[in-house]
Amino acid sequence: GAVVSQHPSRVICKSGTSVKIECRSLDFQATTMFWYRQFPKQSLMLMATSNEGSKATYEQGVEKDKFLINHASLTLSTLTVTSAHPEDSSFYICSARSGLAAQETQYFGPGTRLLVL
Amino acid sequence: AQSVTQPDIHITVSEGASLELRCNYSYGATPYLFWYVQSPGQGLQLLLKYFSGDTLVQGIKGFEAEFKRSQSSFNLRKPSVHWSDAAEYFCAVGLRNNDMRFGAGTRLTVKP
Repeated sequence: GAVVSQHPSRVICKSGTSVKIECRSLDFQATTMFWYRQFPKQSLMLMATSNEGSKATYEQGVEKDKFLINHASLTLSTLTVTSAHPEDSSFYICSARSGLAAQETQYFGPGTRLLVL
Repeated sequence: AQSVTQPDIHITVSEGASLELRCNYSYGATPYLFWYVQSPGQGLQLLLKYFSGDTLVQGIKGFEAEFKRSQSSFNLRKPSVHWSDAAEYFCAVGLRNNDMRFGAGTRLTVKP
């Protein structure tokens, strides 16, 4: 089946630094990638949707200058948390979809746990 | 308001017992419907999905779900739960504008 990887799986950083998280589709080309954020014991909240080669579409309330998303190729998307603060600590999950249609299955990565000290 | 509701935050069942996890949605048109499972600290794995056709959908790991339009529901069922089924279960709807919205999740505990 389709496999999506994320790197790193967990990261600890100091407040004020930037952190980059990679999301890769290993055995298929991902036309669309999604970034979600999950707080403890809560559901996934969509942060942004990105289509390869175009700018990401951010959900309301998500700061595009703080959460930089790049989808430069059909197999790689990156999320950079700029000037991270403790409130950015969370579990970040990406997903990838091979087509543009809403009924296409999203395949999820294993997630990245970010802790900002 | 548009929403996905999972009424049960936490369910405990005995191993071997049957399971039903509830999901209701509130959207204007019939959305695409999904059930995902998440083990602790892990990403999500797709159990099954419904787009159209037969309203009883079979998934992996012995799970099935039934779409009931009149009740705006898509409940997940399993006839006999195994200890390895303990996890967090999320119902999700895929909207025609390409978004996917998740319910709050139901945590399943399995008693030996």
